[in-house]
Amino acid sequence: GESVGLHLPTLSVQEGDNSIINCAYSNSASDYFIWYKQESGKGPQFIIDIRSNMDKRQGQRVTVLLNKTVKHLSLQIAATQPGDSAVYFCAETLNQAGTALIFGKGTTLSVSS
Amino acid sequence: DGGITQSPKYLFRKEGQNVTLSCEQNLNHDAMYWYRQDPGQGLRLIYYSQIVNDFQKGDIAEGYSVSREKKESFPLTVTSAQKNPTAFYLCASSDLEGNQPQHFGDGTRLSIL
Repeated sequence: GESVGLHLPTLSVQEGDNSIINCAYSNSASDYFIWYKQESGKGPQFIIDIRSNMDKRQGQRVTVLLNKTVKHLSLQIAATQPGDSAVYFCAETLNQAGTALIFGKGTTLSVSS
Repeated sequence: DGGITQSPKYLFRKEGQNVTLSCEQNLNHDAMYWYRQDPGQGLRLIYYSQIVNDFQKGDIAEGYSVSREKKESFPLTVTSAQKNPTAFYLCASSDLEGNQPQHFGDGTRLSIL
Protein backbone atom coordinates (compact mmCIF):
# COMPACT_ATOMS: atom_id res chain seq x y z
CA GLY A 1 0.00 0.00 0.00
CA GLU A 2 0.92 3.64 -0.17
CA SER A 3 0.59 6.56 2.13
CA VAL A 4 0.18 10.07 0.75
CA GLY A 5 -0.75 13.37 2.23
CA LEU A 6 0.71 15.67 4.81
CA HIS A 7 3.88 14.99 6.78
CA LEU A 8 3.57 11.96 9.04
CA PRO A 9 6.08 11.34 11.83
CA THR A 10 5.83 7.59 11.30
CA LEU A 11 4.98 5.33 8.39
CA SER A 12 4.53 1.56 8.60
CA VAL A 13 4.46 -0.58 5.47
CA GLN A 14 4.73 -4.21 4.48
CA GLU A 15 7.78 -5.52 2.65
CA GLY A 16 7.28 -5.16 -1.09
CA ASP A 17 4.89 -2.23 -0.83
CA ASN A 18 5.67 1.20 -2.21
CA SER A 19 6.31 3.95 0.36
CA ILE A 20 5.74 7.68 0.01
CA ILE A 21 7.28 10.07 2.51
CA ASN A 22 6.20 13.70 2.38
CA CYS A 23 7.92 16.90 3.38
CA ALA A 24 6.84 20.55 3.40
CA TYR A 25 9.77 22.93 3.07
CA SER A 26 9.87 26.39 4.54
CA ASN A 27 11.70 28.80 2.24
CA SER A 28 10.27 29.61 -1.18
CA ALA A 29 13.75 30.82 -2.21
CA SER A 30 15.28 27.37 -1.61
CA ASP A 31 16.38 25.76 -4.83
CA TYR A 32 18.25 22.63 -3.89
CA PHE A 33 16.71 19.75 -1.96
CA ILE A 34 18.13 16.54 -0.54
CA TRP A 35 16.69 13.42 1.03
CA TYR A 36 18.71 11.69 3.72
CA LYS A 37 18.28 8.33 5.44
CA GLN A 38 19.41 8.03 9.05
CA GLU A 39 19.78 4.70 10.81
CA SER A 40 19.92 4.48 14.58
CA GLY A 41 23.17 5.81 16.04
CA LYS A 42 24.55 6.86 12.65
CA GLY A 43 24.85 10.02 10.63
CA PRO A 44 22.46 10.88 7.77
CA GLN A 45 23.21 9.13 4.51
CA PHE A 46 22.57 10.84 1.17
CA ILE A 47 19.80 9.22 -0.89
CA ILE A 48 18.87 11.57 -3.72
CA ASP A 49 18.77 15.26 -4.53
CA ILE A 50 16.84 17.54 -6.86
CA ARG A 51 17.27 21.07 -8.12
CA SER A 52 14.43 23.55 -8.38
CA ASN A 53 14.48 23.50 -12.19
CA MET A 54 13.22 19.91 -12.07
CA ASP A 55 10.00 18.42 -10.72
CA LYS A 56 11.01 14.77 -10.71
CA ARG A 57 14.20 12.78 -10.40
CA GLN A 58 14.67 9.03 -10.25
CA GLY A 59 17.33 6.90 -8.67
CA GLN A 60 17.58 3.23 -7.91
CA ARG A 61 14.20 2.32 -6.38
CA VAL A 62 13.70 5.92 -5.26
CA THR A 63 11.97 8.89 -6.88
CA VAL A 64 11.82 12.46 -5.60
CA LEU A 65 9.01 14.77 -6.61
CA LEU A 66 9.13 18.53 -6.15
CA ASN A 67 6.09 20.82 -6.19
CA LYS A 68 7.31 24.38 -5.84
CA THR A 69 3.82 25.84 -5.98
CA VAL A 70 2.93 24.38 -2.61
CA LYS A 71 6.49 23.95 -1.33
CA HIS A 72 6.18 20.20 -1.12
CA LEU A 73 8.70 17.44 -1.58
CA SER A 74 8.12 13.71 -1.57
CA LEU A 75 10.27 10.59 -1.62
CA GLN A 76 8.89 7.44 -3.17
CA ILE A 77 10.54 4.10 -2.40
CA ALA A 78 9.56 1.21 -4.64
CA ALA A 79 9.34 -2.36 -3.35
CA THR A 80 10.24 -1.35 0.19
CA GLN A 81 12.61 -3.71 1.99
CA PRO A 82 13.32 -4.24 5.72
CA GLY A 83 16.70 -2.56 5.19
CA ASP A 84 14.85 0.63 4.28
CA SER A 85 13.66 0.99 7.88
CA ALA A 86 15.14 4.25 9.15
CA VAL A 87 14.34 7.90 9.74
CA TYR A 88 14.09 9.93 6.54
CA PHE A 89 14.79 13.67 6.45
CA CYS A 90 14.33 16.20 3.72
CA ALA A 91 16.67 19.19 3.62
CA GLU A 92 16.58 22.46 1.69
CA THR A 93 19.16 25.08 0.89
CA LEU A 94 19.79 28.13 -1.26
CA ASN A 95 21.83 28.02 -4.43
CA GLN A 96 24.87 29.51 -2.74
CA ALA A 97 28.11 27.68 -2.33
CA GLY A 98 28.61 26.26 1.12
CA THR A 99 25.21 27.34 2.45
CA ALA A 100 24.03 25.24 5.36
CA LEU A 101 21.04 22.92 5.07
CA ILE A 102 17.69 23.41 6.74
CA PHE A 103 16.30 20.08 7.86
CA GLY A 104 12.65 19.12 8.03
CA LYS A 105 11.09 16.94 10.66
CA GLY A 106 11.96 13.33 10.04
CA THR A 107 9.65 10.45 9.19
CA THR A 108 10.33 7.07 10.75
CA LEU A 109 9.73 4.32 8.21
CA SER A 110 9.10 0.83 9.60
CA VAL A 111 9.03 -2.09 7.19
CA SER A 112 7.63 -5.39 8.36
CA SER A 113 8.21 -8.67 6.55
CA ASP B 1 38.44 5.24 2.01
CA GLY B 2 37.28 8.84 1.74
CA GLY B 3 34.99 10.08 4.45
CA ILE B 4 34.34 11.98 7.63
CA THR B 5 35.58 10.72 10.96
CA GLN B 6 34.12 11.93 14.22
CA SER B 7 35.60 11.06 17.61
CA PRO B 8 34.92 10.00 20.21
CA LYS B 9 31.69 8.13 19.54
CA TYR B 10 30.55 8.68 23.14
CA LEU B 11 31.59 11.51 25.45
CA PHE B 12 30.68 12.43 28.99
CA ARG B 13 30.94 15.92 30.44
CA LYS B 14 31.11 16.99 34.05
CA GLU B 15 29.56 20.20 35.31
CA GLY B 16 31.64 23.25 34.44
CA GLN B 17 33.82 21.35 32.01
CA ASN B 18 34.59 22.18 28.40
CA VAL B 19 34.80 19.26 25.99
CA THR B 20 36.01 19.12 22.41
CA LEU B 21 34.56 16.95 19.66
CA SER B 22 36.81 16.03 16.78
CA CYS B 23 35.85 16.05 13.09
CA GLU B 24 38.27 15.15 10.32
CA GLN B 25 37.55 14.76 6.60
CA ASN B 26 39.72 13.48 3.75
CA LEU B 27 37.27 14.41 0.99
CA ASN B 28 39.14 17.64 0.19
CA HIS B 29 35.95 19.59 0.88
CA ASP B 30 36.17 23.31 1.54
CA ALA B 31 33.03 23.62 3.66
CA MET B 32 32.41 21.96 7.01
CA TYR B 33 29.44 22.08 9.37
CA TRP B 34 28.36 21.14 12.87
CA TYR B 35 24.79 20.14 13.68
CA ARG B 36 23.05 19.18 16.88
CA GLN B 37 20.31 16.54 16.95
CA ASP B 38 18.00 16.03 19.91
CA PRO B 39 15.93 12.83 20.31
CA GLY B 40 13.18 12.58 17.71
CA GLN B 41 14.17 15.88 16.14
CA GLY B 42 15.77 17.13 12.97
CA LEU B 43 19.25 18.65 12.77
CA ARG B 44 19.98 22.20 13.84
CA LEU B 45 23.03 24.13 12.66
CA ILE B 46 25.60 25.21 15.26
CA TYR B 47 28.51 26.56 13.18
CA TYR B 48 29.84 26.27 9.66
CA SER B 49 33.02 27.15 7.83
CA GLN B 50 33.59 27.72 4.14
CA ILE B 51 37.33 28.27 4.28
CA VAL B 52 40.29 27.85 6.61
CA ASN B 53 40.45 30.41 9.43
CA ASP B 54 36.88 31.56 8.85
CA PHE B 55 33.56 30.36 10.27
CA GLN B 56 30.02 31.60 10.84
CA LYS B 57 27.45 31.07 13.57
CA GLY B 58 24.44 28.94 12.83
CA ASP B 59 21.06 28.97 14.52
CA ILE B 60 22.18 27.69 17.93
CA ALA B 61 25.81 28.82 18.38
CA GLU B 62 25.51 30.00 21.99
CA GLY B 63 27.64 27.90 24.33
CA TYR B 64 29.75 26.45 21.50
CA SER B 65 33.01 27.43 19.82
CA VAL B 66 34.90 26.15 16.77
CA SER B 67 38.20 26.58 14.98
CA ARG B 68 39.31 25.88 11.42
CA GLU B 69 43.09 25.88 11.36
CA LYS B 70 43.32 23.16 8.72
CA LYS B 71 41.09 22.37 5.77
CA GLU B 72 40.51 18.80 6.92
CA SER B 73 39.71 19.55 10.56
CA PHE B 74 36.81 21.38 12.26
CA PRO B 75 36.73 20.69 16.02
CA LEU B 76 33.74 21.76 18.12
CA THR B 77 34.10 22.78 21.77
CA VAL B 78 31.05 22.50 23.99
CA THR B 79 31.67 25.03 26.72
CA SER B 80 30.32 25.16 30.27
CA ALA B 81 28.05 27.97 29.08
CA GLN B 82 25.99 25.42 27.15
CA LYS B 83 23.48 24.45 29.84
CA ASN B 84 21.81 21.63 27.94
CA PRO B 85 24.61 19.90 26.04
CA THR B 86 23.18 16.37 26.01
CA ALA B 87 22.60 15.59 22.33
CA PHE B 88 23.92 13.79 19.25
CA TYR B 89 26.45 15.97 17.42
CA LEU B 90 26.96 15.55 13.69
CA CYS B 91 29.72 16.94 11.52
CA ALA B 92 29.35 17.33 7.75
CA SER B 93 31.37 18.58 4.81
CA SER B 94 30.66 19.57 1.23
CA ASP B 95 32.19 21.00 -1.92
CA LEU B 96 31.65 24.68 -2.60
CA GLU B 97 31.02 24.30 -6.32
CA GLY B 98 27.37 24.32 -7.32
CA ASN B 99 24.76 22.36 -5.48
CA GLN B 100 26.53 19.55 -3.72
CA PRO B 101 25.12 17.37 -0.94
CA GLN B 102 26.66 17.44 2.49
CA HIS B 103 28.28 14.23 3.67
CA PHE B 104 28.01 13.32 7.34
CA GLY B 105 30.10 11.55 9.92
CA ASP B 106 28.59 9.02 12.31
CA GLY B 107 28.26 11.44 15.16
CA THR B 108 29.32 11.89 18.79
CA ARG B 109 26.82 11.32 21.56
CA LEU B 110 27.46 13.71 24.44
CA SER B 111 25.99 13.10 27.89
CA ILE B 112 26.25 14.82 31.25
CA LEU B 113 27.69 12.96 34.23
